[in-house]
Amino acid sequence: AQSVSQHNHHVILSEAASLELGCNYSYGGTVNLFWYVQYPGQHLQLLLKYFSGDPLVKGIKGFEAEFIKSKFSFNLRKPSVQWSDTAEYFCAVKSGGSYIPTFGRGTSLIVHP
Amino acid sequence: DVKVTQSSRYLVKRTGEKVFLECVQDMDHENMFWYRQDPGLGLRLIYFSYDVKMKEKGDIPEGYSVSREKKERFSLILESASTNQTSMYLCASSLFSGANVLTFGAGSRLTVL
Repeated sequence: AQSVSQHNHHVILSEAASLELGCNYSYGGTVNLFWYVQYPGQHLQLLLKYFSGDPLVKGIKGFEAEFIKSKFSFNLRKPSVQWSDTAEYFCAVKSGGSYIPTFGRGTSLIVHP
Repeated sequence: DVKVTQSSRYLVKRTGEKVFLECVQDMDHENMFWYRQDPGLGLRLIYFSYDVKMKEKGDIPEGYSVSREKKERFSLILESASTNQTSMYLCASSLFSGANVLTFGAGSRLTVL
């Protein structure tokens, strides 16, 4: 069974700092990769996804993620965070033959103004 | 622009009561999911359905059952609620094929006393 590890459970940053959230997965075959975000009081929503092609994926609000197959990683980055990026971030992985994504435990990001 | 609607945002029930959580999606999605979200544990899959009357157990099905009589509706049932089922319950849906990007509802926060 596939598993997903998010190494940072709580991250606290000041505005304008750079962000990198780690995500590693265990499945060795073809994967689809996702980052979802849950802003305070809002629905979980898709931030970005990788299916194939360019391993550097750009999402909404200036976020990007890089798929490194050799490292089984899909880290989320943003060069300069804003207070409005305060949220919980979930990495998810779906193997090629499955309908069901497996989620990591989430990272709570707090950005101080 | 509502896509996945969960009928109850907040519920308070007593131990032993039967609880119904309803979820309706208006996107004609084949797949529907029930997740449980707990701090530090991320999203854990309870049940999954890929078609009317079809269901599959997820990672933590014990103490829960589901019903899918119509394509747009997926219900989660707690036959006899217990205090350890106090949690946030998230419903999601996705297309059968392709991206399988999940669209989530707002969540139902259940407290069992």
